[in-house]
Amino acid sequence: DTGVSQNPRHKITKRGQNVTFRCDPISEHNRLYWYRQTLGQGPEFLTYFQNEAQLEKSRLLSDRFSAERPKGSFSTLEIQRTEQGDSAMYLCASSSPRTGLEVDTQYFGPGTRLTVL
Amino acid sequence: QKEVEQNSGPLSVPEGAIASLNCTYSDRGSQSFFWYRQYSGKSPELIMFIYSNGDKEDGRFTAQLNKASQYVSLLIRDSQPSDSATYLCAVSRDYKLSFGAGTTVTVRA
Repeated sequence: DTGVSQNPRHKITKRGQNVTFRCDPISEHNRLYWYRQTLGQGPEFLTYFQNEAQLEKSRLLSDRFSAERPKGSFSTLEIQRTEQGDSAMYLCASSSPRTGLEVDTQYFGPGTRLTVL
Repeated sequence: QKEVEQNSGPLSVPEGAIASLNCTYSDRGSQSFFWYRQYSGKSPELIMFIYSNGDKEDGRFTAQLNKASQYVSLLIRDSQPSDSATYLCAVSRDYKLSFGAGTTVTVRA
């Protein structure tokens, strides 16, 4: 079990550029989540996949944001035409109902810190 | 009203003391409750979860849940300098986690 991994760890981009982040969940986990965290705040839910199906999207996820999880393994989060307000830590988490725990427990990756200049 | 509210702190406690963290939530349909620890610049790390009323102990940590009062707490016994971090309370409904803003704890040596 190598944990959730995310790439890149840091991304600096200019306003108006597109960026893409990748998340690799824990191997046996079929649920994958994206959150965004700004300084001094807790993470905010963006979207959630069960296997390859995107089951819920937050109203925070504007049409500039798109997430995919082809084949139910890794996921990508793309932000088009970035704005300075998109600067944040983007966190990925995964979980599985098959771990034997009483509740569905999410484990977070190290995050991707985005800075939009 | 925010879905999940925590005292922002900072909470300063001497080494060896008990740190007490509180959290209230607004959604009575919330099903599970989590405490995460987050060191500066790092991602949240799960400490423990609770889903039934009462107390749950795990090492130096005790979580308490009172669904009637919509209240969750975390006690850290024998606080160590390594416990200095921001503690995030999260509540779950339909798999989605809603987080509080976190309470920053500083343990003084």
